[in-house]
Amino acid sequence: ETGVTQSPTHLIKTRGQQVTLRCSSQSGHNTVSWYQQALGQGPQFIFQYYREEENGRGNFPPRFSGLQFPNYSSELNVNALELDDSALYLCASSSGPSSYNEQFFGPGTRLTVL
Amino acid sequence: EDKVVQSPLSLVVHEGDTVTLNCSYEVTNFRSLLWYKQEKKAPTFLFMLTSSGIEKKSGRLSSILDKKELFSILNITATQTGDSAVYLCAVEGDNYGQNFVFGPGTRLSVLP
Repeated sequence: ETGVTQSPTHLIKTRGQQVTLRCSSQSGHNTVSWYQQALGQGPQFIFQYYREEENGRGNFPPRFSGLQFPNYSSELNVNALELDDSALYLCASSSGPSSYNEQFFGPGTRLTVL
Repeated sequence: EDKVVQSPLSLVVHEGDTVTLNCSYEVTNFRSLLWYKQEKKAPTFLFMLTSSGIEKKSGRLSSILDKKELFSILNITATQTGDSAVYLCAVEGDNYGQNFVFGPGTRLSVLP
């Protein structure tokens, strides 16, 4: 158990819908990163939030957006869902944005887009 | 574009065997290389390597980095069924924030 929780565990949506995924970081962790992991592939970096500001973004379109709140929780929002958005979405919290701060991953949210 | 390649993609061994997992990378301004173990969903951290030639060890697991040849290996000795998992290699390059580029993983199955 890493102390990082995500909700919901599973989610089914249809193409064109919008979805919000939630992550609760470890207490005291001011940094959260979100990853998309398609079946059989490694996680792909979506973006990172540090002290409630976006601190880096991977190669994902603007319909992927996020928020980080002062209580260490965060959200990943995806608009206009596409079939290829079906994946496991992982969040990882850390005590700082440097790679020297170990990331603790949550169990993920499995999103299926029909 | 930053890239991480892992080999083999899949490996089946018997308990007691020793395995070597490979990770090679191309990244702008390398900062660090990390190994993770992913059993069901959440990857768990194994090692972080930043310096060439220095072996990191934890029990039966060890890892080393070669920054000149741009690769790392993860060794597991005396494998156990509990070692069955996907082993992910990730590299951090020059982008700000923890922009780790992950490889596809090696799926290790250890049979009794």
